[in-house]
Amino acid sequence: GAVVSQHPSRVICKSGTSVKIECRSLDFQATTMFWYRQFPKQSLMLMATSNEGSKATYEQGVEKDKFLINHASLTLSTLTVTSAHPEDSSFYICALLAGGTDTQYFGPGTRLTVL
Amino acid sequence: QQQVKQSPQSLIVQKGGISIINCAYENTAFDYFPWYQQFPGKGPALLIAIRPDVSEKKEGRFTISFNKSAKQFSLHIMDSQPGDSATYFCAARRGQGGKLIFGQGTELSVKP
Repeated sequence: GAVVSQHPSRVICKSGTSVKIECRSLDFQATTMFWYRQFPKQSLMLMATSNEGSKATYEQGVEKDKFLINHASLTLSTLTVTSAHPEDSSFYICALLAGGTDTQYFGPGTRLTVL
Repeated sequence: QQQVKQSPQSLIVQKGGISIINCAYENTAFDYFPWYQQFPGKGPALLIAIRPDVSEKKEGRFTISFNKSAKQFSLHIMDSQPGDSATYFCAARRGQGGKLIFGQGTELSVKP
């Protein structure tokens, strides 16, 4: 399967600050990238879908001005949580889809804790 | 119609036993059904997947059974091992590149 990395793996920040999470495809070009959020003991919740070079499509209820997504290249996507608050504390996971395939390959996740 | 319902929520199986997790869906336009395995603190990993034109798919100890008329599919883990202890998610997708709709997850514990 494909190799996907995320950085950082864990981040702790103060309320009101912004945090950037990187998602990289290490061995294939991803035409589509997805960002998920997962609360403890819960399922994955899709936040947004992005295609390289175009604006992300956000799911209903996800604030696009708060969760900024940049799909800068076929191997890199970033999620910036702006003005983070304690309720934004969660496990954020990216997933990549190579063109012409069915499989979404997930990154290892980033644990965000907002104090 | 977009939901995928998964059961049971948790499952305890003895080592060597068969673990069975079930999922049901409503949208007949779904055309791809993957199962993901997730260990604590890690991202999900694809375990096995099936398309609706096939009734069963087996990969090693893992088998998906698919019942198109009942709109149900299930994961069978044969000879379950303690290392299989994880959370399992079924999912469904409509169209290539479409978003995955995940089930609620099943926490599997395999006792030695």
